[in-house]
Amino acid sequence: QSALTQPASVSGSPGQSITISCTGISSDVGDYNYVSWYQQHPGKAPKLMIYDVSQRPSGVSDRFSGSKSGNTASLTISGLQAEDEADYYCSSYTSSSTYVFGAGTKVTVL
Amino acid sequence: EVQVVESGGGLVQPGGSLRLSCAASGFSFSTHAMYWVRQAPGKGLEYVSTISSNGGRKYYANSVKGRFTISRDNSKNTLYLQMDSLRAEDMAVYYCARVYCSYLNCYETLGYWGQGTLVTVSS
Repeated sequence: QSALTQPASVSGSPGQSITISCTGISSDVGDYNYVSWYQQHPGKAPKLMIYDVSQRPSGVSDRFSGSKSGNTASLTISGLQAEDEADYYCSSYTSSSTYVFGAGTKVTVL
Repeated sequence: EVQVVESGGGLVQPGGSLRLSCAASGFSFSTHAMYWVRQAPGKGLEYVSTISSNGGRKYYANSVKGRFTISRDNSKNTLYLQMDSLRAEDMAVYYCARVYCSYLNCYETLGYWGQGTLVTVSS
């Protein structure tokens, strides 16, 4: 199972919006609405930010939103804040009943 | 509060074995699917394995299939990962995670993660 494709880095100024893409194939992202996004700060465990393409767990800021079109999912962070600087990983359920992650995107707040 | 705490990591020689444990608390362990995910130093997250709530269904990444075995003891609220024939590329922080559930529904996603345990494979 090949990793999902994410940009290595994305940056933005405080208050701006940024979008991270996540491209898979028909047997994962394209076939299932089970795309998740995780935030990971250095030395910390990943934190679930989005599940089922666009759903936010309780406690996650509504500045985070997700969407999907075909084989590509996206995470948008609105009103970028310094605390949003972290690595972000997408993940999808697959036709093998396993999961596949993206390689990760480093978000930098300028 | 949902808590999962990994243990059992350490230094092992190539070809050796190691068993990781994950102690769960703060929720009904026997009714939730569990996962293992790993992260090599400086690298991204990699899915390892899934086990259903009663242990009847198990799934593995191709990279560990035939070498790793996931299991659980619901009487002890503990998840395990038996790792055999270890290779240098298995060196990573191993995370235990619980499925995310909201109200009465559970979702295909990893909702609660432990802090991880480091496995070092080296001679």
